[in-house]
Amino acid sequence: RKEVEQDPGPFNVPEGATVAFNCTYSNSASQSFFWYRQDCRKEPKLLMSVYSSGNEDGRFTAQLNRASQYISLLIRDSKLSDSATYLCVVNGNTGFQKLVFGTGTRLLVSP
Amino acid sequence: NAGVTQTPKFRVLKTGQSMTLLCAQDMNHEYMYWYRQDPGMGLRLIHYSVGEGTTAKGEVPDGYNVSRLKKQNFLLGLESAAPSQTSVYFCASSYRRSSYEQYFGPGTRLTVT
Repeated sequence: RKEVEQDPGPFNVPEGATVAFNCTYSNSASQSFFWYRQDCRKEPKLLMSVYSSGNEDGRFTAQLNRASQYISLLIRDSKLSDSATYLCVVNGNTGFQKLVFGTGTRLLVSP
Repeated sequence: NAGVTQTPKFRVLKTGQSMTLLCAQDMNHEYMYWYRQDPGMGLRLIHYSVGEGTTAKGEVPDGYNVSRLKKQNFLLGLESAAPSQTSVYFCASSYRRSSYEQYFGPGTRLTVT
């Protein structure tokens, strides 16, 4: 079983739609969670951290469910520029903070 | 600020050839990392460094060597390239205090024939 699992998509949505991605992780000892964004043929960039109480950054909302070991990302009012691959990332160790990356969920926003 | 830069951007090698990928960062980050990204596999950590002169193995270190002689540079070497090393290689760096926030270079696309 992969440490971090994501639906690869693609999720095809029209502009203005709300879309949500989930991600599951296998290591119950994981302590930190993040979403990174990767544009086509570009490098990954940190989008946001995920806090236990849930957190929002503009149109983006991230939530964590420790009991079920999943993380979600909700995007409201989708823009064309949101088209990208969203990587779910988990801190795999309590020592050196090795990040474990999911394979990503691809989002395509169309006019 | 250039951030994280990588050279070269593209390279084609024949099996058995060697090469060095160079990563440089100008953010005074303590930590640096080398990843490879393959379809369906996600980013996998090859080697990392927590400071000048120190390196450690990541998840997939076999076939690679690294050196960090200066804080701002992290080199990844392939001594004898194999087709299985065809991949996109990303270098990243971070502050020690916030190592979850990694800044990535633009990547090197390597093909081994």
